Amino acid sequence: DAGITQSPRYKITETGRQVTLMCHQTWSHSYMFWYRQDLGHGLRLIYYSAAADITDKGEVSDGYVVSRSKTENFPLTLESATRSQTSVYFCAATPREGTYEQYFGPGTRLTVT
Amino acid sequence: KQEVTQIPAALSVPEGENLVLNCSFTDSAIYNLQWFRQDPGKGLTSLLLIQSSQREQTSGRLNASLDKSSGRSTLYIAASQPGDSATYLCAAQGGSEKLVFGKGTKLTVNP
Repeated sequence: DAGITQSPRYKITETGRQVTLMCHQTWSHSYMFWYRQDLGHGLRLIYYSAAADITDKGEVSDGYVVSRSKTENFPLTLESATRSQTSVYFCAATPREGTYEQYFGPGTRLTVT
Repeated sequence: KQEVTQIPAALSVPEGENLVLNCSFTDSAIYNLQWFRQDPGKGLTSLLLIQSSQREQTSGRLNASLDKSSGRSTLYIAASQPGDSATYLCAAQGGSEKLVFGKGTKLTVNP
């Protein structure tokens, strides 16, 4: 069955390093989203994309960059990681055109030391 | 700005009990209301999606209702089981495709 995958599942990096989190989905039509989940804040939207080469900022986009050159991939890059970016990152997609029901990947737990 | 609130933050019930989880939102101009389940250390699993033109959706022992005028949605779980223990999240979708999440209700069903 088609689905959504994320890699890596766990990542430890140092402050100031660049990190890229990968998201891949196999649906032909799909919006894609990046969220972060933190205790006390819940899930917050970082970036989203309506289609290839179309991206837009969410609530907490500072310090993050995205691209979507191919419909199936939506990488999230932390340009210069900070400790405040330690979080669990979830990618989501909407496989069914017209309903916008979002399906989530398994998440990436990122620790910035 | 849309705000979504879930009360209570935690709930503990004995097995077999019927229960209701509450979700409220401040902007009634929503497109969808989606309920998710999250197990510890896992991703989110979509349970039910209610479109703005609908009043409720059912899946097995789960029933979700939507009242846009009052800014409320409820998730009803019938005959709860220990396997239902998880955090339940609701999310409101406005005119854009973005979801605004509540902080969740952590449910514990005791055998």
